[in-house]
Amino acid sequence: EDQVTQSPEALRLQEGESSSLNCSYTVSGLRGLFWYRQDPGKGPEFLFTLYSAGEEKEKERLKATLTKKESFLHITAPKPEDSATYLCAVQAWYFNKFYFGSGTKLNVKP
Amino acid sequence: DTAVSQTPKYLVTQMGNDKSIKCEQNLGHDTMYWYKQDSKKFLKIMFSYNNKELIINETVPNRFSPKSPDKAHLNLHINSLELGDSAVYFCASSPALGLAGYEQYFGPGTRLTVT
Repeated sequence: EDQVTQSPEALRLQEGESSSLNCSYTVSGLRGLFWYRQDPGKGPEFLFTLYSAGEEKEKERLKATLTKKESFLHITAPKPEDSATYLCAVQAWYFNKFYFGSGTKLNVKP
Repeated sequence: DTAVSQTPKYLVTQMGNDKSIKCEQNLGHDTMYWYKQDSKKFLKIMFSYNNKELIINETVPNRFSPKSPDKAHLNLHINSLELGDSAVYFCASSPALGLAGYEQYFGPGTRLTVT
């Protein structure tokens, strides 16, 4: 069964304390893996797309990596404004379906 | 200008009523989606349209009916609302169907509360 699992469910960091979020997936044929950021009361905001194992993308303090079974979102020296829920999604080849994980709620304390 | 917009933002209604949610995107995208986000924050795809044609129709009760008058609009009509329909509904769009995966752009959501 195709699915996406994110861990941890919640993560509390001190400002400047680097860490990583995990997204593990099982899908029959990966077309793309996506990371989104969701702030309370808002829709998910696109961050990255990764297509193949070994690929990496960076944006400010965020870096996403991809292996054949999981993706990591590394947060370097986070700031309070990085606090949000980070969602991972995979797109399968067949039927153009997207599967979302339940997210990691990140709280960065000043 | 808002890329993907939804109306209304909040919708409170009683069981048994019929309601609609409207979505519009000004990104020129070919594909649009409806998602339901439950209390546990899971986003689950309901429908997807490509150039006004239905391409994904998940196991959703027949009470939910999407309509796409043109490729910039995708509306969701819900008949005979039930308590379990309470959730946040998101509209999204993406550039195209194709060999590559394309990211989706989401609207602000419509919080539906059924009492």
